Amino acid sequence: AQTVTQSQPEMSVQEAETVTLSCTYDTSESDYYLFWYKQPPSRQMILVIRQEAYKQQNATENRFSVNFQKAAKSFSLKISDSQLGDAAMYFCAYRSANSGYALNFGKGTSLLVTP
Amino acid sequence: EAEVAQSPRYKITEKSQAVAFWCDPISGHATLYWYRQILGQGPELLVQFQDESVVDDSQLPKDRFSAERLKGVDSTLKIQPAELGDSAMYLCASSNRQGAGGYTFGSGTRLTVV
Repeated sequence: AQTVTQSQPEMSVQEAETVTLSCTYDTSESDYYLFWYKQPPSRQMILVIRQEAYKQQNATENRFSVNFQKAAKSFSLKISDSQLGDAAMYFCAYRSANSGYALNFGKGTSLLVTP
Repeated sequence: EAEVAQSPRYKITEKSQAVAFWCDPISGHATLYWYRQILGQGPELLVQFQDESVVDDSQLPKDRFSAERLKGVDSTLKIQPAELGDSAMYLCASSNRQGAGGYTFGSGTRLTVV
């Protein structure tokens, strides 16, 4: 079974600064997708960014970018110019054919953004 | 924008009682997922449907939990009898086959067992 590990239970960043959230995963597969999801308090899970394992180029979405290190099985999320609305739980997730295409989530990182 | 509908939004039940949650996925999404999310942790897959068939229910506590998706559209997750440890958020998500078009999550049902 694949495991997703987020080693930072909580992170804090000042508004306008940059923060990086860590994620590592364990798999023997070569074809898979990785995701970062955001879950604001009492609100639904929304997709932040996704990365196909076969693509070497790191995905970016506006202020959000990833550092995908396939050999190291590392998938970190960088949030630039942090905003108060970025405060939320962030989950790293893995998906592959062997997992039935279901998302397998890490335990999450709680991000606090201070003014 | 299309949404995954879940009801009820909140549910308080006494232990040993029965409780049921309902999910209506995005129209046309063949795959439906039920996740359980304990406070402060990541969602864990309980059951996955492809149309009306169960694809994966390996983590579903089958002695007390059941799930169905009779017509391959909406789905019901039932717990009987509920236990204190079942207190959690129950999330429903849907996707097209293989999740290629992305996953859409509902707002969840927060269950409190007292």
